[in-house]
Amino acid sequence: KNEVEQSPQNLTAQEGEFITINCSYSVGISALHWLQQHPGGGIVSLFMLSSGKKKHGRLIATINIQEKHSSLHITASHPRDSAVYICAVRSRIFTGNQFYFGTGTSLTVIP
Amino acid sequence: NAGVTQTPKFRILKIGQSMTLQCAQDMNHNYMYWYRQDPGMGLKLIYYSVGAGITDKGEVPNGYNVSRSTTEDFPLRLELAAPSQTSVYFCASSWTESNSPLHFGNGTRLTVT
Repeated sequence: KNEVEQSPQNLTAQEGEFITINCSYSVGISALHWLQQHPGGGIVSLFMLSSGKKKHGRLIATINIQEKHSSLHITASHPRDSAVYICAVRSRIFTGNQFYFGTGTSLTVIP
Repeated sequence: NAGVTQTPKFRILKIGQSMTLQCAQDMNHNYMYWYRQDPGMGLKLIYYSVGAGITDKGEVPNGYNVSRSTTEDFPLRLELAAPSQTSVYFCASSWTESNSPLHFGNGTRLTVT
């Protein structure tokens, strides 16, 4: 069983659509990270949050600690948003494997 | 700041060969990590370091070795390459162990044939 589950695995949207990617986790955490990975490229940190909501441009991330759930929203999606979005949680307990990673959501935004 | 720099970007190895993946960061981060990313799987931790001279195994350390002689550098060594080590490798760093962003390098795509 994966400690972090993301849905959907794949998502295709028309330009301008509102997009939601979900992340559920099963361990106690100190923080949750949303990462973006472009094809053939590196990984960029989008958000780190431990409560509430954060907004950066057209991206919004929310977390519900009680429900162990986070969502990443993209408003007015654009083809340049096409990437893999990865949810990662930092375990509250320093076990050596500090982060658990989801398998990613592959987003394609069509013009 | 260059952030986290990984070299090489691509490499093809024959079974049994060895190589070192280089990773350097210029942010004075104490924490550095090596991950591998396989298709359909989440990132898996190979080794990590909490400061110069201190390293420890992660989830999938077999077949790899690391060293951390300086704060900036954290090379990953493959001694006897095997096809199972075909993967994309990412180096990352963070300022503290708790609640600071992860900074990733651009990755090294390694193929072992």
